[in-house]
Amino acid sequence: KQEVTQIPAALSVPEGENLVLNCSFTDSAIYNLQWFRQDPGKGLTSLLLIQSSQREQTSGRLNASLDKSSGRSTLYIAASQPGDSATYLCAVYYGQNFVFGPGTRLSVLP
Amino acid sequence: EAGVVQSPRYKIIEKKQPVAFWCNPISGHNTLYWYLQNLGQGPELLIRYENEEAVDDSQLPKDRFSAERLKGVDSTLKIQPAELGDSAVYLCASSSQAGVGDTQYFGPGTRLTVL
Repeated sequence: KQEVTQIPAALSVPEGENLVLNCSFTDSAIYNLQWFRQDPGKGLTSLLLIQSSQREQTSGRLNASLDKSSGRSTLYIAASQPGDSATYLCAVYYGQNFVFGPGTRLSVLP
Repeated sequence: EAGVVQSPRYKIIEKKQPVAFWCNPISGHNTLYWYLQNLGQGPELLIRYENEEAVDDSQLPKDRFSAERLKGVDSTLKIQPAELGDSAVYLCASSSQAGVGDTQYFGPGTRLTVL
């Protein structure tokens, strides 16, 4: 069964810190991997998409890496801000549908 | 560009009652997804449409759930009768291309509470 896990489940950091969120997947035959952000009571917003042939993608203060062989992806957030507080989910695409992780709930304290 | 629209945003019903959710995807998006999200978990696919065809409904509990996407645009998801365990957020998403894992755009969801 294709499973996606995320560690930690929750994270609280002071403003300005750099942080890393982790995503692991059991089946390495992926097409791509996406990172999403979900604010309370709202839908998901796509942050970054990494194709299986890529190693990383960057958007502003966000950098996502992908290591297919080890079944891992990381989302790096630089200089965190209170506005970054949300739940971050990764989703792996296997050619038919996406398999989502449970998310990491991030709180950035001012 | 308007995003994915869902209604209602919240619904409270008693068990055994029917309920329906509506979704209007982004204009021009051929692929439409319905997901179920329980608290503290990621979305789980219920059904995926390519235009008006349901191409993956393997996770849809067909004894009580049904969906339609007439004319390949907006879609309706129905539960009849609802059970206590159906309480969750129902998310609709759309994407422009099928089969390539294109970016999905999500609506705000409908939070269902079954009493």
